[in-house]
Amino acid sequence: GQQVMQIPQYQHVQEGEDFTTYCNSSTTLSNIQWYKQRPGGHPVFLIQLVKSGEVKKQKRLTFQFGEAKKNSSLHITATQTTDVGTYFCAGIRIAGNNRKLIWGLGTSLAVNP
Amino acid sequence: KAGVTQTPRYLIKTRGQQVTLSCSPISGHRSVSWYQQTPGQGLQFLFEYFSETQRNKGNFPGRFSGRQFSNSRSEMNVSTLELGDSALYLCASSFSGLLTDTQYFGPGTRLTVL
Repeated sequence: GQQVMQIPQYQHVQEGEDFTTYCNSSTTLSNIQWYKQRPGGHPVFLIQLVKSGEVKKQKRLTFQFGEAKKNSSLHITATQTTDVGTYFCAGIRIAGNNRKLIWGLGTSLAVNP
Repeated sequence: KAGVTQTPRYLIKTRGQQVTLSCSPISGHRSVSWYQQTPGQGLQFLFEYFSETQRNKGNFPGRFSGRQFSNSRSEMNVSTLELGDSALYLCASSFSGLLTDTQYFGPGTRLTVL
């Protein structure tokens, strides 16, 4: 079953408002990746976080990886209409010699101009 | 540089049939990963191939298999199709693998099983 929970499922904001999506894993993750998928498009890699407590910024986007490496968040400051899409987190779980990429179900962001 | 290409883009099959999907990675990329995307289950990892060897795999049944050729092109095969196999199948390529490197996704193959 799904091992990475992502909330909220949907978010509707006014342009200029902030937006945050959260990912929580039942197990410790090796790394976590974030992707954006526009309607009708394919996922586009945004960033990968590796270290416990890591924070990375890309312009208006701030990504965090929790101290226990079980949760992560993506925060967008002052949303724009170009931010519309579904944001996915994907955690890498290591089991022996096998590595699996486990995806959250995504948060769909709608931005009213 | 050309992006990841997938063929065919759309496919309609009936239950019990088998299907082969193809993925051509970005030139120079050695890793190809495959994913299934459905509205209910989201994105699920199928497997990763690197230099012609399966390196990592998800939790899909043996009906789902893949291979990678010496030019890094990859194929995914699904045998004995079931209605629940209807999905968008995405492949992604990277230079050194899904753990360490940016993955670039192709446009996907939309498979419908009737």
